[in-house]
Amino acid sequence: GAVVSQHPSRVICKSGTSVKIECRSLDFQATTMFWYRQFPKQSLMLMATSNEGSKATYEQGVEKDKFLINHASLTLSTLTVTSAHPEDSSFYICSARDPAGALEAQHFGDGTRLSIL
Amino acid sequence: DAKTTQPTSMDCAEGRAANLPCNHSTISGNEYVYWYRQIHSQGPQYIIHGLKNNETNEMASLIITEDRKSSTLILPHATLRDTAVYYCIVANFGNEKLTFGTGTRLTIIP
Repeated sequence: GAVVSQHPSRVICKSGTSVKIECRSLDFQATTMFWYRQFPKQSLMLMATSNEGSKATYEQGVEKDKFLINHASLTLSTLTVTSAHPEDSSFYICSARDPAGALEAQHFGDGTRLSIL
Repeated sequence: DAKTTQPTSMDCAEGRAANLPCNHSTISGNEYVYWYRQIHSQGPQYIIHGLKNNETNEMASLIITEDRKSSTLILPHATLRDTAVYYCIVANFGNEKLTFGTGTRLTIIP
């Protein structure tokens, strides 16, 4: 079935560092990918919709200059957390839907646990 | 998208059927019911979806009431690996924007 891969699975870095997270669709092309954030004991919150070849659409309250999204190809979207601070520590998850697939559902990566010291 | 209401937590004995309810009383005619689950520290996993007919796949069955205001996800023979948070989501078919509620934390007890 369709697989979405995220990398890295875990990252620990110092405050002020920028961190890039990659999301790849391994066996299908995804014109649209989604980025979610999940704080401990909370549900997933959609941050932005990543569109191949165009600007991402951000949800209300999400700073686009802080969370840079690039979707340069049909199989790769990246999320860069710029100048990360401890409050950005969270579980970041991406998803994509295979538009050509028979199954109308999103496929999720296994997430990236970001810890800012 | 319509809002869903689920119990916060449930327990189920291993080997028994786990029945997870979901209320979606404001669902509109073109909205589907999707179920995902999230095992600790992993991304959500798709389980099943339906519009108005009952659905079954290798993972679970989905029972949707005739008025579509509620549904039940059934895991026929729960195993310890089914321990997870289960999310019921209502969305338009092809609507790629999923809104996650708080879900039901299902614990399978040996």
